[in-house]
Amino acid sequence: DQQVKQNSPSLSVQEGRISILNCDYTNSMFDYFLWYKKYPAEGPTFLISISSIKDKNEDGRFTVFLNKSAKHLSLHIVPSQPGDSAVYFCAASAPQAYNTDKLIFGTGTRLQVFP
Amino acid sequence: KAGVTQTPRYLIKTRGQQVTLSCSPISGHRSVSWYQQTPGQGLQFLFEYFSETQRNKGNFPGRFSGRQFSNSRSEMNVSTLELGDSALYLCASSLFAGGHDEQFFGPGTRLTVL
Repeated sequence: DQQVKQNSPSLSVQEGRISILNCDYTNSMFDYFLWYKKYPAEGPTFLISISSIKDKNEDGRFTVFLNKSAKHLSLHIVPSQPGDSAVYFCAASAPQAYNTDKLIFGTGTRLQVFP
Repeated sequence: KAGVTQTPRYLIKTRGQQVTLSCSPISGHRSVSWYQQTPGQGLQFLFEYFSETQRNKGNFPGRFSGRQFSNSRSEMNVSTLELGDSALYLCASSLFAGGHDEQFFGPGTRLTVL
């Protein structure tokens, strides 16, 4: 049972355009969401997070939107750059009382930004 | 500040053998979590240690075990290796336990079981 789903395994975007990566979740107890970026041969690195009390969080070129009613979040990268090419993982966590896993990750979306 | 280090980086074993992977967290971090990454499965949580105690355990068989030492370094052990154990094993450290604290990942250990 995949509680965090990234239904697009890959995405290809032209440099300068917007990249939109999507993530859906099923557990209504999740109250904190994170995005990680992973380059080959490296561990994931934290990118941006959002608490369930917000619907948007912005950090430079990266914005995460949360739609709690739809159990959906998205990561927007504007403008996309070739260095953004990586695998992006969505992750979620719930308050300790409801959560046996520290973070539950999606399966990842491979973003390729071409010139 | 040095990042999370994992040793070895690559490992090849045969079925039935056992393996021990090591993780050194960022200095001062007391929480260490382990994840297994396989194609199509994302990162699957294995277990979390905080102050030498296992706080959480994911849905993995008992062949997977771990421990944490007083200096917060952690090891995970997989016994009776199976082909399906071939994966990238990632270790992450954070200051505190729980899911809301930013985790810093190591580069991982790539385990291949033949």
